[in-house]
Amino acid sequence: EVQLVQSGAEVKKPGASVKISCKVSGYTFTDYYMHWVQQAPGKGPEWMGLVDPEDGETMNAEKFQGRVTITADTSTDTAYMELSSLRSEDTAIYYCAKGGFDTGFDHWGQGTLVTLSS
Amino acid sequence: QSALTQPASVSGSPGQSITISCTGTSSDVGSYNFVSWYQQHPGKAPKLMIYEGSKRPSGVSNRFSGSQSGNTASLTISGLQAEDEADYYCCSYAGSGTWVFGGGTKLTVL
Repeated sequence: EVQLVQSGAEVKKPGASVKISCKVSGYTFTDYYMHWVQQAPGKGPEWMGLVDPEDGETMNAEKFQGRVTITADTSTDTAYMELSSLRSEDTAIYYCAKGGFDTGFDHWGQGTLVTLSS
Repeated sequence: QSALTQPASVSGSPGQSITISCTGTSSDVGSYNFVSWYQQHPGKAPKLMIYEGSKRPSGVSNRFSGSQSGNTASLTISGLQAEDEADYYCCSYAGSGTWVFGGGTKLTVL
């Protein structure tokens, strides 16, 4: 059974950084991209970026360029997303999602709530 | 990259069919056959319902179908059931290794 298990909720101050993990099991980690998706309260999902665990190559959405760092650790089958210079509008649930061109985002993590509070 | 355009809401009675549209541009929906659709119930993660425009993952009811024409993709749900009430999002590959989601459609089963 494919599983993506994310780290727990975080409370951060504006200007800080947050790093969320996504540990996978049940499939070969290097066979599929790992995407990260932001969903603000009451809003739709927004694609943030991806990592190809096979070679570590990443792509980011223009909106998050310069603030997001996505990595993959093949020794632990874990993907990470770090978002820096946090601001109030970054209060959201962050999801990791496995997928590629010919699969869609077929499995999702349970989500990690990041709350900004001064 | 602008979000794909979806109607904010649609509704239908049990047993009826509804269609949700997803309009993009020639840079995303119109250029690639990589549109997917997601169902999201409150407090839950999105669930893949359709990928590559019209393919259903194993376990998804055949009441869900997808199509694509030009810059617009569509999701049709036939034989509406109460449990179909949820938010639905489309997503398309947008080139250069990027993806874009739609703004979402709230489906109400009357």
